Amino acid sequence: EPEVTQTPSHQVTQMGQEVILRCVPISNHLYFYWYRQILGQKVEFLVSFYNNEISEKSEIFDDQFSVERPDGSNFTLKIRSTKLEDSAMYFCASRANRYDRTSGGAGGLDTQYFGPGTRLTVL
Amino acid sequence: SQQGEEDPQALSIQEGENATMNCSYKTSINNLQWYRQNSGRGLVHLILIRSNEREKHSGRLRVTLDTSKKSSSLLITASRAADTASYFCATDAARSWGKLQFGAGTQVVVTP
Repeated sequence: EPEVTQTPSHQVTQMGQEVILRCVPISNHLYFYWYRQILGQKVEFLVSFYNNEISEKSEIFDDQFSVERPDGSNFTLKIRSTKLEDSAMYFCASRANRYDRTSGGAGGLDTQYFGPGTRLTVL
Repeated sequence: SQQGEEDPQALSIQEGENATMNCSYKTSINNLQWYRQNSGRGLVHLILIRSNEREKHSGRLRVTLDTSKKSSSLLITASRAADTASYFCATDAARSWGKLQFGAGTQVVVTP
């Protein structure tokens, strides 16, 4: 079964530095998401992306964050100036077009498939 | 408002027993999804139940959904040590772009 991949698996950075987290969503999926999970806490939605633009974002997703789909396969999350509180596991997810019956995974069209995550440590 | 709150927070059972965990939510949903997470690892999708469905099965998993009570349950039958993990429900709210709202999860420990 196709899967979402993320790189790197672990990123260590100094406070104030820029980081770019990379994701390759499942081919033919059209909806892309970033979530994060601070250690010991629940998974939190950051942003959704569809048709080359942000469709929804949370309060966490402030001006320090940006997303981009630079080519047909990658989906990136950039944090411009990292803070200590940005330390978390960042998950990318993708979902098929709800109405496209040819590109859904085994779980169905609405299923969001998550990548293995990037653990970001800000020192 | 909080969505997808699970209970219990932790569950300890022996192999062969059934594990049941519940999830409550507050707003109208398109669907509700259950995920498993092994310690420090990624989220593995288990099962999705749509708002017009009441029950769904997948292998040893059984999920129910009661939209009138805004609640769902996940039952794992004949549990195994490998089922030890955290289990999360996540709601896909109506009229959203698929944003999932996760609960705090139920930590399940299955002892041999």
